[in-house]
Amino acid sequence: EDQVTQSPEALRLQEGESSSLNCSYTVSGLRGLFWYRQDPGKGPEFLFTLYSAGEEKEKERLKATLTKKESFLHITAPKPEDSATYLCAGQGGFKTIFGAGTRLFVKA
Amino acid sequence: DGGITQSPKYLFRKEGQNVTLSCEQNLNHDAMYWYRQDPGQGLRLIYYSQIVNDFQKGDIAEGYSVSREKKESFPLTVTSAQKNPTAFYLCASSRDSEYGYTFGSGTRLTVV
Repeated sequence: EDQVTQSPEALRLQEGESSSLNCSYTVSGLRGLFWYRQDPGKGPEFLFTLYSAGEEKEKERLKATLTKKESFLHITAPKPEDSATYLCAGQGGFKTIFGAGTRLFVKA
Repeated sequence: DGGITQSPKYLFRKEGQNVTLSCEQNLNHDAMYWYRQDPGQGLRLIYYSQIVNDFQKGDIAEGYSVSREKKESFPLTVTSAQKNPTAFYLCASSRDSEYGYTFGSGTRLTVV
């Protein structure tokens, strides 16, 4: 059964304290691994698509990486405005499977 | 600016009542989707449509119905058959499923 699992469920960081969010996936015929950011009460906002193991993408303080079993979202020197829920999703065939998300809190 | 508009932002449903959530996009995307989001769970697919006048059931379609009469519009009706409708509903569209989704701002439905 296709599955996407994110860890940790919640992560509390001090401003400037770098860390990583994990996304483990088992998705048959993976065509793309997606990362989204979701603020409270809003829809998710697209961040990255990764297509193959070894691929990396960056946007400001965020860098996403992909292996054959996992994806990581690295956050370098986070700021309070990076506080949000980060969702990972794997697409196999036409179906996209979402993880439950990691809630990130960054304290000034 | 192109995007997806969902309305209303908040909706209250009485027992036995059908309610309709609106979703409109001006991105010229062919594919549209409805997801349900509950605390601690991943987004779950309710219905999707890849082309006008055609739609497919997702993983949790029971108690819901949709229509796709225009490319821009994909309304979702939550029927009285849906026994636990309280949730955050998200509409999305995509140019191609490999490019990720553009989401609307969501509708929070509460049963009163």
